[in-house]
Order: sequence, then structure tokens, then C-alpha cells
Amino acid sequence: EDQVTQSPEALRLQEGESSSLNCSYTVSGLRGLFWYRQDPGKGPEFLFTLYSAGEEKEKERLKATLTKKESFLHITAPKPEDSATYLCAVQVGNSGGSNYKLTFGKGTLLTVNP
Amino acid sequence: DGGITQSPKYLFRKEGQNVTLSCEQNLNHDAMYWYRQDPGQGLRLIYYSQIVNDFQKGDIAEGYSVSREKKESFPLTVTSAQKNPTAFYLCASSRTILDGYTFGSGTRLTVV
Repeated sequence: EDQVTQSPEALRLQEGESSSLNCSYTVSGLRGLFWYRQDPGKGPEFLFTLYSAGEEKEKERLKATLTKKESFLHITAPKPEDSATYLCAVQVGNSGGSNYKLTFGKGTLLTVNP
Repeated sequence: DGGITQSPKYLFRKEGQNVTLSCEQNLNHDAMYWYRQDPGQGLRLIYYSQIVNDFQKGDIAEGYSVSREKKESFPLTVTSAQKNPTAFYLCASSRTILDGYTFGSGTRLTVV
């Protein structure tokens, strides 16, 4: 069974204190790994897609990296507005198949204090 | 602006009643999805549709039904057979089933 595990469940940082969130996965036939940000009571907002080990993507204070077993979301000098739940999802599928669904982790709740 | 609209934002239902959640997109996306989100759990896939007039069950389809008669619309009906319907429901779409998703703002359903 495909599994996606995010850690830690919750992380509290001071403004400017850099850190990383982890997403480890056990899947067969990984096609892509997605990171989303979700604010309370709202739908997830797309951040990044990573497709192959070694790939990195950046957006403002966020950088996502991918290995064969896990992905990291690095947050550099965070600000209070970065506070949110960060969700990781993996897309699996077989060549010629149609079952390319996303499987989500439970998320990491990030709080950045001023 | 293109996007996904879910309505209503809050919905209350009496036990034993069916209720339909609306999801409309103007992104010209072929694929649409319904997820359920509960506290402490990841998003779980209810149903998805790759193209008009076609849909497949996700991981937790029991007690739910959908239709896809138009490309823009993918309504979800929560039936009385769903034992624990109280949850936050999210609709999403993607250009194709291989692409990343755009999510709506969600509908919070409460059974009273």
C-alpha cells in the first residue's frame, strides 16, 4: 500500500529561524511529488511539483528537494505569513494505466512567531 | 479569473437526508476530483473523473455519488448511507489526470 508520512506533525519557529519539513514515501511507480500550502478553512494552494531524484525548486523563502525516498521543504528566514499547514502528495501510476491519483500525507502545521 | 467554485461554504444536514455539494470550474480542465478532509487525517479521495460522462471510485466512495454531465461541473451527493458525513469536502481539477491540482475553497458539511 502506498504510504506518505510527513514530519514533524507540528513545528513552531521564531521569525527568521530556518528549518525543514520532511515527506517520506513508500510507493511503487512514483510519477511526481507535490507540495501544497493550506490555510485554515481553505483549500490547498499548489506550491511545487518534483519529478526526479535530485530535482530542486524554489519560490521566495521555500525550496523543495527530492530524493528516492523523501522530499524536504526548506524554509529560509520564515515570516509569520508563512504559517500554514504544508501538505505533501505523491502521484503514482503504471505505464499505460489510468490510475494516476494523488495520495496525501497528513501535513505539517507550521507556526511562525514574530 | 479562472478557478474552482464550491458552494455552499457551510452546509448543515439532518440525519437520513441526502445533500448535494456543488463544484464548478472555468479552467477548461478535463479532470476533476472530490476529496474529504478530517482532522488529523490526510485528504482522502472519494471520486474522480478524467473526462465528461466518465468517473471512477476513489478510496472511500461508499455512501457518495457523483455525475459528470458537463466539463465544468462535478457535483457530489452525500447520501444517507454515508455513516460519518461530517467533514470538510474539497473539489479539485487538473488539466489532465497527469497534472497538478487546483483546489476549490471547500464545503464544510455538518450533520445535525
